[in-house]
Amino acid sequence: SSEVTQDPAVSVALGQTVRITCQGDTLGKYYASWYQQKPGQAPSLVIYGENNRPSGIPDRFTGSSSGNTAFLTITGAQTEDEADYYCHSRDSNGNQVFGGGTKVTVL
Amino acid sequence: QVQLQESGPGLVKPSQTLSLTCAVSGGSISNGHYYWSWIRQRPGKGLEWIGFIFSRGRAYYSSSLKSRVSINLDTSKNHFSLKLTSVTAADTAMYYCAGMGFIPADGTMWFDPWGQGTLVTVSS
Repeated sequence: SSEVTQDPAVSVALGQTVRITCQGDTLGKYYASWYQQKPGQAPSLVIYGENNRPSGIPDRFTGSSSGNTAFLTITGAQTEDEADYYCHSRDSNGNQVFGGGTKVTVL
Repeated sequence: QVQLQESGPGLVKPSQTLSLTCAVSGGSISNGHYYWSWIRQRPGKGLEWIGFIFSRGRAYYSSSLKSRVSINLDTSKNHFSLKLTSVTAADTAMYYCAGMGFIPADGTMWFDPWGQGTLVTVSS
């Protein structure tokens, strides 16, 4: 099996752009999905597939990928974007796997 | 709009079986649109996939938990369930149910919707 790995934490100035990375062997074959989790809340989907946003997710959230790395970019970060972000994919055995999460702080 | 709600005991004794149910509303559990999933999150930690079951009844489990896990559908009640046997303190976690959508053409998968979660503590 394989893992997906994320940087533990990033910070971004209010209104600036931040890119969160997710690395894994199978990300060159399968798209990642991305989840936002605020304290005391369940995770919620922000990006899936090539770059699809569920209804209600602002267009400042975009997804992309290159090789075995997937990216979640927040363009013009807002205070309400401060949260933990998790990527999700699958491993070579079909297990669904999550990254360890990235804590985003908006300064 | 499909909504999910977990229920079950909040306290389980070590070595016993953890049993949770996820009630599905706003859609039929048999519609073939989702893999019905369980995911947990230990306190202060990340997300861990436990397993899922498709509407036709075939279940898939995490390699690390498969010896202790079973997930079942109850179409008459429109809910699905989780059983985790021989629990220890390491199974203390918030347990979420979720529907996993998928696009067969390219293998895209995503978890949405999610239940609000239920905290299960393993302690004597």
